Amino acid sequence: QKEVEQNSGPLSVPEGAIASLNCTYSDRVSQSFFWYRQYSGKSPELIMSIYSNGDKEDGRFTAQLNKASQYVSLLIRDSQPSDSATYLCAVISGGSNYKLTFGKGTLLTVNP
Amino acid sequence: GAGVSQTPSNKVTEKGKYVELRCDPISGHTALYWYRQSLGQGPEFLIYFQGTGAADDSGLPNDRFFAVRPEGSVSTLKIQRTERGDSAVYLCASSNPPGDTQYFGPGTRLTVL
Repeated sequence: QKEVEQNSGPLSVPEGAIASLNCTYSDRVSQSFFWYRQYSGKSPELIMSIYSNGDKEDGRFTAQLNKASQYVSLLIRDSQPSDSATYLCAVISGGSNYKLTFGKGTLLTVNP
Repeated sequence: GAGVSQTPSNKVTEKGKYVELRCDPISGHTALYWYRQSLGQGPEFLIYFQGTGAADDSGLPNDRFFAVRPEGSVSTLKIQRTERGDSAVYLCASSNPPGDTQYFGPGTRLTVL
């Protein structure tokens, strides 16, 4: 069974710090990788997508992908209390029907 | 344009009853997905439509669950003989093309008493 693993947390960081969220996946032929943010009681909202090895930056967010290690991460710089949410890692496996396989999510709390 | 919409936002039903959950995707999105999310878990895939046809229904837990998308836009997820274990948030997402970013609706919270 194709799996996506995340540290469930909770992860607590002070305001202004860097938050680092990690994810590993089991299917070596996975092609597409996504980070979604989910506030309590709300639906997932896309933060970043990444498809090739290396870093991808968008504002305060940087996604990092290492296919050899089957590892994807999300860095949040200058963390704000509004970043407090559950962060979901999701993967589309190669040759699949485009379904997302999600991890359980990491709960991030940014303390003022 | 408008995002994905889902109705109802909340549904409370009794064990054994039949329910229908509706999803209206983003206009022009050909791919539509249903997921189910239980408390403390990530969303789990149920079914994927490309156009009117179900391209993959491997995530449907059993034959009490069925979904349709007759005109290639709105989809309905149907659950027969509901059980307490069906209680969850049912999420719908759409994308265009398939494999591109999936945008989620607000979800329907189903509670089976």
